Amino acid sequence: AQSVTQLGSHVSVSEGALVLLRCNYSSSVPPYLFWYVQYPNQGLQLLLKYTSAATLVKGINGFEAEFKKSETSFHLTKPSAHMSDAAEYFCAATYSGAGSYQLTFGKGTKLSVIP
Amino acid sequence: KAGVTQTPRYLIKTRGQQVTLSCSPISGHRSVSWYQQTPGQGLQFLFEYFSETQRNKGNFPGRFSGRQFSNSRSEMNVSTLELGDSALYLCASSLAGRVGGAVHEQYFGPGTRLTVT
Repeated sequence: AQSVTQLGSHVSVSEGALVLLRCNYSSSVPPYLFWYVQYPNQGLQLLLKYTSAATLVKGINGFEAEFKKSETSFHLTKPSAHMSDAAEYFCAATYSGAGSYQLTFGKGTKLSVIP
Repeated sequence: KAGVTQTPRYLIKTRGQQVTLSCSPISGHRSVSWYQQTPGQGLQFLFEYFSETQRNKGNFPGRFSGRQFSNSRSEMNVSTLELGDSALYLCASSLAGRVGGAVHEQYFGPGTRLTVT
């Protein structure tokens, strides 16, 4: 079965430090990839998506992700962490063929930002 | 533009009962998907509807069902509730889902927190 793996269920960074959240997908055919953020007691908010147009994808709130086919990875980064970035982040992929739409999610990474 | 709305936001039910959750997608969106989120299993896909037809279904028992109306609003129903059905149920809408080579992103609602006692 196709899967998405997020390394590290919990990541802590200092305010102003680099944020790096890791995501690997399993597929010989690159899927469409997404990063979502979830704040407590809220739904998921889309940060960015990869659809094969460009390997470096810029999203909202200063986040970006780089697609690397050779490493089957789609890691999320932000140069400087802010306190408001503390949340849970989910990497997701859609492997479905045309005519259907199903997101497969990673287990999530909870980001803590230390002042 | 208003976002995805889900009602109710919180629900407490007893084992054996049934429950219906409602989702109103973003105006103009025709694809609605449902996901279950639990601490143990994470986010799992339930089903997707497009133009009143179920296009895809996840690996859940038949107690979980859904439907979509002509105005794209969707409902999901869980019958004979079990303790393990306690979860956050998220609805997501998309313009058309996946059509040919295009993938429209999904926008999520705030979820319905279901507690089964």
